[in-house]
Amino acid sequence: EPEVTQTPSHQVTQMGQEVILRCVPISNHLYFYWYRQILGQKVEFLVSFYNNEISEKSEIFDDQFSVERPDGSNFTLKIRSTKLEDSAMYFCASTTPDRESEQYFGPGTRLTVT
Amino acid sequence: AQSVTQLDSHVSVSEGTPVLLRCNYSSSYSPSLFWYVQHPNKGLQLLLKYTSAATLVKGINGFEAEFKKSETSFHLTKPSAHMSDAAEYFCVVRGTGFQKLVFGTGTRLLVSP
Repeated sequence: EPEVTQTPSHQVTQMGQEVILRCVPISNHLYFYWYRQILGQKVEFLVSFYNNEISEKSEIFDDQFSVERPDGSNFTLKIRSTKLEDSAMYFCASTTPDRESEQYFGPGTRLTVT
Repeated sequence: AQSVTQLDSHVSVSEGTPVLLRCNYSSSYSPSLFWYVQHPNKGLQLLLKYTSAATLVKGINGFEAEFKKSETSFHLTKPSAHMSDAAEYFCVVRGTGFQKLVFGTGTRLLVSP
């Protein structure tokens, strides 16, 4: 069964460094999302992406964040200058154009900012 | 705006007894509702979804949920708990089309032998 994949599974970085989290959505999906889950808290929406542009973003998704679909298969989340509070599990999700379809989630990348 | 409230942060049951995880939703229009499960150190797996068809929805691993518009509820049930059901369960609402998912705070299900 097709699945969403994410790399790396765990990323440790120093405060102020740039990180890029990578996702490969399911191949026929057209809508892409990033969510995050700070340890012990609920899952929060960051951004949605369709037709090579952001369709919606949350207040969390400030100028330090950006998303890109560079090559038609990968979907990336970049954090330009990481802060301690960016430490979280980041989930990528994708879905089809079928309005009844659910979002399929990847296994997540655990980002630790030291 | 849509929101969900999970009424219990923790639920403890014995193996073989019924499971009830409660969720109430708020939405200005007919919502799509989901239950996702997260096992320790794992990703999010869809258990079941309601998208305006049958109000009683059956999912994987024997779970089901009933959409009750009059009560704005979407409680998750299972007749008999297994040890492998121990996990975090999230009730989730989505607006129309391809909008974001809004997660509840989660309910941790503990299953004792």
